[in-house]
Amino acid sequence: GAVVSQHPSWVICKSGTSVKIECRSLDFQATTMFWYRQFPKQSLMLMATSNEGSKATYEQGVEKDKFLINHASLTLSTLTVTSAHPEDSSFYICSASTPTGGNEKLFFGSGTQLSVL
Amino acid sequence: SQKIEQNSEALNIQEGKTATLTCNYTNYSPAYLQWYRQDPGRGPVFLLLIRENEKEKRKERLKVTFDTTLKQSLFHITASQPADSATYLCALEENSGNQFYFGTGTSLTVIP
Repeated sequence: GAVVSQHPSWVICKSGTSVKIECRSLDFQATTMFWYRQFPKQSLMLMATSNEGSKATYEQGVEKDKFLINHASLTLSTLTVTSAHPEDSSFYICSASTPTGGNEKLFFGSGTQLSVL
Repeated sequence: SQKIEQNSEALNIQEGKTATLTCNYTNYSPAYLQWYRQDPGRGPVFLLLIRENEKEKRKERLKVTFDTTLKQSLFHITASQPADSATYLCALEENSGNQFYFGTGTSLTVIP
């Protein structure tokens, strides 16, 4: 199946710094990628939908200036958590849908655990 | 408001029995519904997809049903094994858009 690589898998940073998370589709071109956030023992919350070459679509309540998304190519989307604070500590997961079959299934990266001190 | 709810947070069953997980949704019009498995600290892995015009789908020991009248999907694992222990998530894509939304998840533990 399609492979999505997410990096880094774990990052610890000081409050006020910015953190960039990369999501790559390794063996297919992903016109659309999704960014999710997950708190312990909770489900995935969709943060934004990232389309190659255009601005991301953010879900209600997600600050677009806080969570900057860039989808500059068909294989790479990045999420930058700007001026991170402890409440931003969470598990962030990206996913991509395959271009055939009407975007029917998602392939997920392995996730990034962000800890803000 | 829109909701996707899964029957229970945690489900414990004996090895060999059938596990049944429930996914109910409100105020969505999904073109299809999907089930994913998630292990701790990992991203979800796709298991099965069922379309709105399908009643049932099977894959090996897995079976999914979809009732658009009840707005419910059932996910069954037959002859369960300890290796089936994981969190199972249902997800749906709105007919109108290209966005996937996930249920609250059910943590399944299969006891040897």
